[in-house]
Amino acid sequence: TQLLEQSPQFLSIQEGENLTVYCNSSSVFSSLQWYRQEPGEGPVLLVTVVTGGEVKKLKRLTFQFGDARKDSSLHITAAQPGDTGLYLCAGADDYKLSFGAGTTVTVRA
Amino acid sequence: DSGVTQTPKHLITATGQRVTLRCSPRSGDLSVYWYQQSLDQGLQFLIQYYNGEERAKGNILERFSAQQFPDLHSELNLSSLELGDSALYFCASSVEGDMSYEQYFGPGTRLTVT
Repeated sequence: TQLLEQSPQFLSIQEGENLTVYCNSSSVFSSLQWYRQEPGEGPVLLVTVVTGGEVKKLKRLTFQFGDARKDSSLHITAAQPGDTGLYLCAGADDYKLSFGAGTTVTVRA
Repeated sequence: DSGVTQTPKHLITATGQRVTLRCSPRSGDLSVYWYQQSLDQGLQFLIQYYNGEERAKGNILERFSAQQFPDLHSELNLSSLELGDSALYFCASSVEGDMSYEQYFGPGTRLTVT
């Protein structure tokens, strides 16, 4: 059983559309991180959110941390084929970083 | 390029064998983490070392062990290998030992046990 549940598991959209990926948990984390992983490569950190209710923007990507620090969302505006990849959320506590199973995003040109 | 290097990139071995995976962290990073990624289990935290000392343990089997050397590189030893150990093994590093700090992942070692 995953400590962090990500939804949806797969997402396929057309270039220019928007998408949202969700990350939910029953546990409270000191921080939550989002990574993107491309096939055959290691995950690359996109953002770390720390404060409940925090919103961070990275160009067309918007990340939100829930008020209770148990959930997060990633919203991509006007998706591009370069956004294709596996998006992973990870919750941090003192001694462990727990990853969700990931959302595979495919953006069709 | 994250600055974290891992060798080898691919490894094929037989059941019952022992292998060693190597990781060099980013320059200046004191903490090294090992992860296993398989299709059915996702990315699982195995173990963390900070400045040469074990700091945290995750879902690491007793057949697996790791160490961090004085020059801060790390090795993950996998012994009595089973088919189910086939997976991608990633090393990551960070400046500090706190899990909240950003971790930078290496390109991984793909282990295939036949």
